[in-house]
Amino acid sequence: DAMVIQNPRYQVTQFGKPVTLSCSQTLNHNVMYWYQQKSSQAPKLLFHYYDKDFNNEADTPDNFQSRRPNTSFCFLDIRSPGLGDAAMYLCATSEYPDITGYEQYFGPGTRLTVT
Amino acid sequence: DQQVKQNSPSLSVQEGRISILNCDYTNSMFDYFLWYKKYPAEGPTFLISISSIKDKNEDGRFTVFLNKSAKHLSLHIVPSQPGDSAVYFCAARAGATNKLIFGTGTLLAVQP
Repeated sequence: DAMVIQNPRYQVTQFGKPVTLSCSQTLNHNVMYWYQQKSSQAPKLLFHYYDKDFNNEADTPDNFQSRRPNTSFCFLDIRSPGLGDAAMYLCATSEYPDITGYEQYFGPGTRLTVT
Repeated sequence: DQQVKQNSPSLSVQEGRISILNCDYTNSMFDYFLWYKKYPAEGPTFLISISSIKDKNEDGRFTVFLNKSAKHLSLHIVPSQPGDSAVYFCAARAGATNKLIFGTGTLLAVQP
């Protein structure tokens, strides 16, 4: 089945220790997204790629970086995690948008704990 | 500033009855609305959507209603089933960017 895969599902890192979360997709979608979701809050878009074009949200901290080496893979790098970065990180994909809209397909998420 | 609001954190409904989940928005530029369903330890799954040029869209037991003048949409599930118990997120898109703004979700519990 075509899908969005996130690894690992659970990640524990130490305060200040860099961590990388990965996302892969078999849907062959051109657009990939990273969201952060904290408990009882709405998923918040961090950045997204149209193909290799990177689009950062204005309020995404510099501590968060991303790489998309090819269509199938996308990585989220947190350079110096703080306690406030503990959250669920969701990867999503979609076709190019048009006026009819395309839904986004989400992976299962990576739960990040910072100790 | 929360542009998409789901004011009911939780809702409990008896099996077989109707579930109505509500969502309000503030940005008149939103042109497309989606509902997602999320089970614990899984990512959100697309459920149903509606364009701003329509006022109703139906898919099986799920119907979404849009009231543009009130900037309000609702998701109706009828009849409700225990497997519908999940968190439901309302999301809105502004223009052709496909960037979605999500609400905080409503936890639906369908009691057998």
